[in-house]
Amino acid sequence: AQSVTQPDIHITVSEGASLELRCNYSYGATPYLFWYVQSPGQGLQLLLKYFSGDTLVQGIKGFEAEFKRSQSSFNLRKPSVHWSDAAEYFCAVGWRGNKLVFGAGTILRVKS
Amino acid sequence: DTGVSQDPRHKITKRGQNVTFRCDPISEHNRLYWYRQTLGQGPEFLTYFQNEAQLEKSRLLSDRFSAERPKGSFSTLEIQRTEQGDSAMYLCASSPVGTGSADTQYFGPGTRLTVL
Repeated sequence: AQSVTQPDIHITVSEGASLELRCNYSYGATPYLFWYVQSPGQGLQLLLKYFSGDTLVQGIKGFEAEFKRSQSSFNLRKPSVHWSDAAEYFCAVGWRGNKLVFGAGTILRVKS
Repeated sequence: DTGVSQDPRHKITKRGQNVTFRCDPISEHNRLYWYRQTLGQGPEFLTYFQNEAQLEKSRLLSDRFSAERPKGSFSTLEIQRTEQGDSAMYLCASSPVGTGSADTQYFGPGTRLTVL
């Protein structure tokens, strides 16, 4: 069965500190991988995606993610967090325009 | 490009009533998806269309739920005889077909349903 695990429900980081959000997936083959961000009461905004090629992908707002096939992981990173990054982050997997399977999300809190 | 729009943004209804939500995808996006998101969870897939054809439905989509995309443009999601367990955020997404970005889904702001 397809599944996505985001082990951290909540993460708190200080403004200016680095961030890593974890994502592991279970899928029949190497899927397409996505990170979305959601502010309270809002829809999802795409941060970045991986389809193939370079395993380190850059996204918007200074985020990047690294695909590691051997670990079935797609962790999201940012070198310096800003207060405006506080939101909920979702990892998702899909294949060729079919449905996305999402993790349960990680809520990021930023302390000043 | 105006993005995916959904209407209404909020809906409060009494148990047993019918509700209908509308989604307008990004123009020329062939695929349209519906997801449901409950508090503290990630979105869960409900159904999707390619043009006017409904290609897949989740087991979550009970017979009280029906979705249509009659002209391959906007879509509606109807819930009949609402139950309190239907309270959730209903998200719509769209994606193009036939390009390298075909597998990227762009989401609307969602419709928050509260069933009293």
